[in-house]
Amino acid sequence: QSALTQPASVSGSPGQSITISCTGTSSDVGGYNYVSWYQQHPGKAPKLMIYEVSNRPSGVPDRFSGSKSGNTASLTISGLQAEDEADYYCSSYTSSSVWVFGGGTKLTVL
Amino acid sequence: QVQLQESGPGLVKPSQTLSLTCTVSGGSISSGSYYWSWIRQPAGKGLEWIGRIYTSGSTNYNPSLKSRVTISVDTSKNQFSLKLSSVTAADTAVYYCARLTVTEGYFDYWGQGTLVTVSS
Repeated sequence: QSALTQPASVSGSPGQSITISCTGTSSDVGGYNYVSWYQQHPGKAPKLMIYEVSNRPSGVPDRFSGSKSGNTASLTISGLQAEDEADYYCSSYTSSSVWVFGGGTKLTVL
Repeated sequence: QVQLQESGPGLVKPSQTLSLTCTVSGGSISSGSYYWSWIRQPAGKGLEWIGRIYTSGSTNYNPSLKSRVTISVDTSKNQFSLKLSSVTAADTAVYYCARLTVTEGYFDYWGQGTLVTVSS
């Protein structure tokens, strides 16, 4: 099972919006709504930010939103803040009954 | 509040078996609503899903690791474990245990992670 494809890095200034893409296939991202996103700060465990494509867990700011079109899911962060600087990973359930992660995207807040 | 804690040796010799245990507190590992999963992350690299186990003992593994991985559960101790055989330097990573929801398929609680180094 191949990893999902994410851009290696994205950047934005405080207050701006950025979008991170996560591209898979019809056997994973395109075939199921079990796409989730995780934020990871250096030396820390990943933290769930979005589940089932577009749902936010309690406590996650509404600046974070998710969507999906075809085989590509996206995470959008609006009103960028310094504390959003982190690595972001997408994950999807697959037709092989296993889970796969994206390669990760480093977000830099300029 | 559910908490997960990994434990096990931080150093394993090449060709030996890596063994880790995840202790779950604040919730029962026997809950039918969750799978229990292992995920790893080599230094400076991305996350790799290793496998998951259900309270019944049923498992699914990453095909790339399937021949070397065994995940087991001990409901009496509220723990689940990972064994990875024939390790090489490529298995050096931070290993996380995590709770995976059955119906929505996301990892909602994670352990802090434990670094396992494969070296002689």
